Formats: sequence, C-alpha cells, structure tokens
Amino acid sequence: LAKTTQPISMDSYEGQEVNITCSHNNIATNDYITWYQQFPSQGPRFIIQGYKTKVTNEVASLFIPADRKSSTLSLPRVSLSDTAVYYCLVGAISSGSARQLTFGSGTQLTVLP
Amino acid sequence: NAGVMQNPRHLVRRRGQEARLRCSPMKGHSHVYWYRQLPEEGLKFMVYLQKENIIDESGMPKERFSAEFPKEGPSILRIQQVVRGDSAAYFCASSPEVARYNEQFFGPGTRLTVL
Repeated sequence: LAKTTQPISMDSYEGQEVNITCSHNNIATNDYITWYQQFPSQGPRFIIQGYKTKVTNEVASLFIPADRKSSTLSLPRVSLSDTAVYYCLVGAISSGSARQLTFGSGTQLTVLP
Repeated sequence: NAGVMQNPRHLVRRRGQEARLRCSPMKGHSHVYWYRQLPEEGLKFMVYLQKENIIDESGMPKERFSAEFPKEGPSILRIQQVVRGDSAAYFCASSPEVARYNEQFFGPGTRLTVL
C-alpha cells in the first residue's frame, strides 16, 4: 500500500499562494492521487484528484511529476476560510476493494490575516 | 439534493452498551463507506458496502463491530459492548457507484463518547 508523507503544518497569509507537497514513493500503477479538505467537526470534502501531469479546477491545482512519486496541491490566493486540514490520499477503489482508503495525519494549514 | 445524512450527531454510551450509528447516502448513491477518526488523527477506513453486500471490511475490528446496508433504509454501523477506546468520530461517505477516482461525499459524522 502506498504510504503518504505530508508536512504536519503550514502557515500562510491571506492572498498568498499555498503549495502543499505529498510524497508517495511506492505509488502503484493504478493508483490515483486525491486531496480532501476537512474543517473541525465536519466530514472531509473532496478538492481535486489526478493521475499525472497537471489538473486544475475552480478551487485548486494539482501538480504530479512524471515519476508520480509526489504531488503538490496548489491553493491560489488563500483566505482565512481556507484554514483546515488537507489530506493526500493515494490508492484506488475497485469493485472489490477499498484499498488505501486511509487518510494520513494531514497538513494543518493556518491562514493568517 | 440533500447530502449524506448521519444520525445521531452525538451519542453517549456507557461501557458495555450498544451504539448504533445511521447513515443515509446521497440520493442515487449505492455505495457507502464508514471511517473512524480519533482525536488529532486522520480517518481510518473501516468498511465498504453496497446495497445488501459487504464489499470490503478489512478495516473493521473482527469483534463487536458490524455493518449493514439493507435494500431499504440507511446503512447501520453497530458497536456492541462499547469500551472507552471506541470514543471517536465516525464518518460515513457515499458514492454513486465505484467512486470515480476516489471521490466520495462525506456526512457530518457521529461523535461517540463512551463513559
């Protein structure tokens, strides 16, 4: 199973771009990379997912190098409301397994005014 | 379109009692996943169910824990003879079929406190 490593915490200021990197050295060929956001006392919320290269949606961008051993979540122009824990997941759900559906410790992002 | 519903939101039980947690998936979703989150930790996968079938229960303790997702009604996570170590937040997620690229929709969680 692919193990993920993220920084425990990060601080940023409003309006800045934030990049959170996740290492996953033993990612498998069929694995996707998914990022979730969690606020206190709430369930996680899907942010973005990708397999390789770059993915962008209205909330974030995800950069994945060719070797796929790491990925970087990019949040443009963060605001105070982006203060949350961000989780990187690597794995795949198939019709017979929910392999690797374990969230690591995540990265606590604190956005300062 | 209502999101994933979980009830109760908070549950207090004494050691040895049973805890029953309910999860109603989003409309049109037939796959349900249960997770447990201890304080200051990430979510740990417990069980993955489809209607009337358990697909993957590799993350669920072998004793005292059981889960079901009947043809009609919500999914139920049952914990028998609770102990203090069962105190945690339990989250349910759903997806329309096999989660597209791991995208799941989470409920607000049930916070279980065992006295």
